[in-house]
Amino acid sequence: DAKTTQPNSMESNEEEPVHLPCNHSTISGTDYIHWYRQLPSQGPEYVIHGLTSNVNNRMASLAIAEDRKSSTLILHRATLRDAAVYYCILSPGGGSNYKLTFGKGTLLTVNP
Amino acid sequence: GAVVSQHPSWVICKSGTSVKIECRSLDFQATTMFWYRQFPKQSLMLMATSNEGSKATYEQGVEKDKFLINHASLTLSTLTVTSAHPEDSSFYICSARGSGIGYTFGSGTRLTVV
Repeated sequence: DAKTTQPNSMESNEEEPVHLPCNHSTISGTDYIHWYRQLPSQGPEYVIHGLTSNVNNRMASLAIAEDRKSSTLILHRATLRDAAVYYCILSPGGGSNYKLTFGKGTLLTVNP
Repeated sequence: GAVVSQHPSWVICKSGTSVKIECRSLDFQATTMFWYRQFPKQSLMLMATSNEGSKATYEQGVEKDKFLINHASLTLSTLTVTSAHPEDSSFYICSARGSGIGYTFGSGTRLTVV
């Protein structure tokens, strides 16, 4: 399985943008980049995913490096509710059996 | 959007008893379901993968006779922790995936064995 590397923790102030990095230097050409987040005592929540192009949705933006060896999750205006562990995970496209493997993720703290 | 309902959200049981956790996909057919376990301050660890109508595939080190998984329909999978002991106390999370559907997670079940 291709591995991802994320900082253990990051800190942000409320209403400021947050850039969460993820390195995946061994990514293969068909691997999708997924981001999930987990609030305390809850199951993971889908944030965003992409393959090659940058992606935007109502929650966040995903910026993917041209060589795809790294990506950045961007929260445009952090709120206290965004405090969570953010996981960057790779999975191959196609098929429903592929299991998501979670690393340690990045613990995001948002200061009021 | 796809919704996965997991029940109960928490359960306390006596050592030696069995506990069943349900995971339902509410608005899609879940061809594959995954069961994870998470200990405090640790990441999610995959326990098993199950396809509807088939036996579950367990990860290395997970006792299949202790953690019984049933995926008898396209909308329901159950995890039964048999003869639970205090070391089985953990946060159990299911995930479901269907055709054209990404990975959707349940809200988790906090199991405490006393």
